[in-house]
Amino acid sequence: GESVGLHLPTLSVQEGDNSIINCAYSNSASDYFIWYKQESGKGPQFIIDIRSNMDKRQGQRVTVLLNKTVKHLSLQIAATQPGDSAVYFCAETSTNAGKSTFGDGTTLTVKP
Amino acid sequence: SQTIHQWPATLVQPVGSPLSLECTVEGTSNPNLYWYRQAAGRGLQLLFYSVGIGQISSEVPQNLSASRPQDRQFILSSKKLLLSDSGFYLCAWTGGKSPLHFGNGTRLTVT
Repeated sequence: GESVGLHLPTLSVQEGDNSIINCAYSNSASDYFIWYKQESGKGPQFIIDIRSNMDKRQGQRVTVLLNKTVKHLSLQIAATQPGDSAVYFCAETSTNAGKSTFGDGTTLTVKP
Repeated sequence: SQTIHQWPATLVQPVGSPLSLECTVEGTSNPNLYWYRQAAGRGLQLLFYSVGIGQISSEVPQNLSASRPQDRQFILSSKKLLLSDSGFYLCAWTGGKSPLHFGNGTRLTVT
């Protein structure tokens, strides 16, 4: 079946550095991808999304890159701040199926 | 604006007892509704989703069930809880081709 996996379970960066979190997916029919941030004890929050007809999308301090050839997704966070410390999940969705599949998450720790 | 309410926030139940978790959405109509479970340090496992009243799709066979008695109400139930049912339960909604909006979750501990 389909699966979404993250390359590294933990990432530690210095405050002010850029962070890159990677994700691999396996369902070639997936056409919508989303990054979520989850703080301890809370539900995941939407960060940024990208549709399969795009390869890059930028938000405020965040950029998502999609490489459909190798089924790879990445989240780049510029000038990482302590408040960015959280678990980050990628999710792939086949909009025809109407449901999302999540990876296991990467824990980002920002050192002051 | 749309909001999602999920309760209770924490719950401790003995093995074999029943379960009822409720989720309601405000500010939207005909949402797609979802129940996810998250084990400690893991990703989210989809349990059930619903695209309309009375329409429930089950993703994982287990001793849980879901119901959607009203358009914006989604209920997760069990007749007899198992130890393995412990986890963080999240309700979410979406309007279609858009991100999921999650509630704050219920931390269930089965003892």
